Amino acid sequence: SAVISQKPSRDICQRGTSLTIQCQVDSQVTMMFWYRQQPGQSLTLIATANQGSEATYESGFVIDKFPISRPNLTFSTLTVSNMSPEDSSIYLCSVGGGGSFYEQYFGPGTRLTVT
Amino acid sequence: EDKVVQSPLSLVVHEGDTVTLNCSYEVTNFRSLLWYKQEKKAPTFLFMLTSSGIEKKSGRLSSILDKKELFSILNITATQTGDSAVYLCAVDSQGAQKLVFGQGTRLTINP
Repeated sequence: SAVISQKPSRDICQRGTSLTIQCQVDSQVTMMFWYRQQPGQSLTLIATANQGSEATYESGFVIDKFPISRPNLTFSTLTVSNMSPEDSSIYLCSVGGGGSFYEQYFGPGTRLTVT
Repeated sequence: EDKVVQSPLSLVVHEGDTVTLNCSYEVTNFRSLLWYKQEKKAPTFLFMLTSSGIEKKSGRLSSILDKKELFSILNITATQTGDSAVYLCAVDSQGAQKLVFGQGTRLTINP
């Protein structure tokens, strides 16, 4: 399985500011995903990060709030913009392979607290 | 709307007990079902199931899928305190690896 790292592992941010989370994979992967896990909740997919094109966002998530970059096959960033306390969550990136049935692996996560 | 439901939401047992966690799903285009263990932040991959009736096994953990009845179970035998975690079930319903997660089962193993 791929080795995935995320930075930062945690942060405390003030309302109205933005934070960029980085996700690095040790091998080239086709698919990268960003998930959010709000306190006490399960994981919700934010978007699929596509290399060479714009990210594909799920219902309820918009590019202005969660801009995503995918400059190459091993790296992606998620920015949480104009933060409010409701954005306090764990943000996770995951990677999958191409083909029909592929396991999906998660990075260590970023715990974000907005005050 | 795709839906994944896990039960029970919480379970407390004694070390050495056997537990069965349930996951049912309603999705438009089932491709695979995945089980994860989440102890702190990152979910750790356990199993991926694609075919009915074929048991996947890893040590004391095993899982099986029933595509006719739309559910899966995760069994843990001879539980240990290290098995305490939230167990997540997820379904790939669109073939694009976009996972839909259940609420999770919080398992607590008491010594």
